[in-house]
Amino acid sequence: QLLVQDSGPGMVKTSETLSLTCNVSAAFIRSSSFFWGWIRQSPGKGLDWIGSVSYNGNTLLNASLKSRVSISIDTSENHFSLHLSSVTAADTAIYYCARGRYLIEGGWFDSWGLGKLVTVSS
Amino acid sequence: DVVLTQSPDYLAVSLGERATINCKSSQSLLYRSTYKDYLAWYQQKPGQPPKLLLYWASTRESGVPDRFSGSGSGTDFTLAINTLQAEDVAIYFCQQYYYTPLTFGGGTRVEI
Repeated sequence: QLLVQDSGPGMVKTSETLSLTCNVSAAFIRSSSFFWGWIRQSPGKGLDWIGSVSYNGNTLLNASLKSRVSISIDTSENHFSLHLSSVTAADTAIYYCARGRYLIEGGWFDSWGLGKLVTVSS
Repeated sequence: DVVLTQSPDYLAVSLGERATINCKSSQSLLYRSTYKDYLAWYQQKPGQPPKLLLYWASTRESGVPDRFSGSGSGTDFTLAINTLQAEDVAIYFCQQYYYTPLTFGGGTRVEI
């Protein structure tokens, strides 16, 4: 499978940091043809783009979360990661990692991980 | 942020019939120098991640059946599903990639 979302806790306490990792097939993670993104979906709701990272570590983040989010990539370990700090109940969602095509500044997502439900509670 | 408004929210279609879903953008998604519209369509079935159907508004992703087609330009787009099959029951989303933040439409649920 191209994208494998690893464990990471399924439950995070309010005000703590949510951390997720997505493992990527080694054949693709170093390719400049793709970028790597995080998208979340609140229960029963639509999709929200969190941010993206390119093979060389450049990131593009949603300004609505920018002060709380960081995305990084480790091509030697074939994974990219999401950290979201100071979480609240509003951050409860299914978090997807995905492979993007075209440009990190704007592209579509052609392959998605299975998703990880993260619940924020006190 | 660019707002994508999908209509209808819910659509019931008979097997073998045609379904059409609309996506209206608050800003034009047409990049004039390339004459390409920066819009993609996805299908999401229950308990699954979204699956890419179309990009550049009308280019089918590899492996997507040709009963799925996209049209439109600028601010108004349509996804059509010809000869609806039982496996097409899903929620369909549009996504724009002209502006950041990347944004998605609210989704249209298609049922038989």
